[in-house]
Amino acid sequence: KQEVTQIPAALSVPEGENLVLNCSFTDSAIYNLQWFRQDPGKGLTSLLLIQSSQREQTSGRLNASLDKSSGRSTLYIAASQPGDSATYLCAVPVNYGGSQGNLIFGKGTKLSVKP
Amino acid sequence: SQTIHQWPATLVQPVGSPLSLECTVEGTSNPNLYWYRQAAGRGLQLLFYSVGIGQISSEVPQNLSASRPQDRQFILSSKKLLLSDSGFYLCAWTGLAGDEQFFGPGTRLTVL
Repeated sequence: KQEVTQIPAALSVPEGENLVLNCSFTDSAIYNLQWFRQDPGKGLTSLLLIQSSQREQTSGRLNASLDKSSGRSTLYIAASQPGDSATYLCAVPVNYGGSQGNLIFGKGTKLSVKP
Repeated sequence: SQTIHQWPATLVQPVGSPLSLECTVEGTSNPNLYWYRQAAGRGLQLLFYSVGIGQISSEVPQNLSASRPQDRQFILSSKKLLLSDSGFYLCAWTGLAGDEQFFGPGTRLTVL
């Protein structure tokens, strides 16, 4: 059964720092991995989707990498800003017969960027 | 472009009362639709998914049910709410299984 873990659970950094959020998964037979952002009381915003054939994806100051063989993904945020404060979640699709794209989520990393 | 709506945004209901949450998607056809629940300290859990009108699959046994009366409409219901049904309910869609998944703004349900 696939399990997704995110470390750390919470992170507080000063503005301007580069930072790395970690996501690990137990079953490496995934076909993609998705990173989301969630602001308090809000829905999830998709940040990046990495297909299993890709090593990384970039969007602005965000860069996500994927290492299937080791069961890990990292989300790199460059030059962090107070507006980056949110909970970041990673998710992978369930990978068994009959699956229809259902996602399994980590519990998230709550990021606080101090001005 | 595609958008996804959920209503109501917040709901406070007494134990034993019925529930109906609605989700609609615009700008796409034949989406896969999903209901997730996010409870404090427990992360996101898939409740139901649907690949077409009238086709509903349940991931966990529970007090809730789902229906898809139209292609882009997904409804979450209960006949009698329990305290444990409190949580943040999120609807999501994807064009094809395994594609990027997009979420609605959510409904905060408090059962008293």
